[in-house]
Amino acid sequence: AQSVTQPDIHITVSEGASLELRCNYSYGATPYLFWYVQSPGQGLQLLLKYFSGDTLVQGIKGFEAEFKRSQSSFNLRKPSVHWSDAAEYFCAVGAPDRGSTLGRLYFGRGTQLTVWP
Amino acid sequence: DSGVTQTPKHLITATGQRVTLRCSPRSGDLSVYWYQQSLDQGLQFLIHYYNGEERAKGNILERFSAQQFPDLHSELNLSSLELGDSALYFCASSASDRVRQPQHFGDGTRLSIL
Repeated sequence: AQSVTQPDIHITVSEGASLELRCNYSYGATPYLFWYVQSPGQGLQLLLKYFSGDTLVQGIKGFEAEFKRSQSSFNLRKPSVHWSDAAEYFCAVGAPDRGSTLGRLYFGRGTQLTVWP
Repeated sequence: DSGVTQTPKHLITATGQRVTLRCSPRSGDLSVYWYQQSLDQGLQFLIHYYNGEERAKGNILERFSAQQFPDLHSELNLSSLELGDSALYFCASSASDRVRQPQHFGDGTRLSIL
């Protein structure tokens, strides 16, 4: 069965420091991979996505993510964190049903990011 | 602003009651997805509609039902409510029914069962 693991429930970094949020997935083929961010009281906003091709993808707000097939990972990174990045981050896998391009998103449990000034 | 509108933002009701949550997708989007976010289960996919037809079901209880209307808005109906149904319910929309198509989320409806 498909699953998504975000090993870190909560991460705290200082403003200006680099950030890496981990995501591991379990799926038989190459999945469609997404990172979303959720600010308090708001819905999920898409940061970036990966389908195929270059394994390093750029997203909005200065975020990037790298797909590593051998490690079944899709970690999110940012070189320098801003206080406004404090939010909850969700990794999601789009796993097509067999013989179909339909399917559903499977979400990790999220990583809460706190940024110290 | 994602362009997805969910109403109401908050809903407080009692056990045994029935409620309807409403979602208007982004202009031009044909797919609507419903998700439940709770502390226990995280974000769980409930159901997917595309252009008025049900496409996929996830962890949706029999007490819950949904539909998508000809104008593409969708409603999620929750009946015989239990305390455990308290959660944040999200609607998302996308342009097609393909899972690779990014989904755009509304701000959610927070349902509190007393």
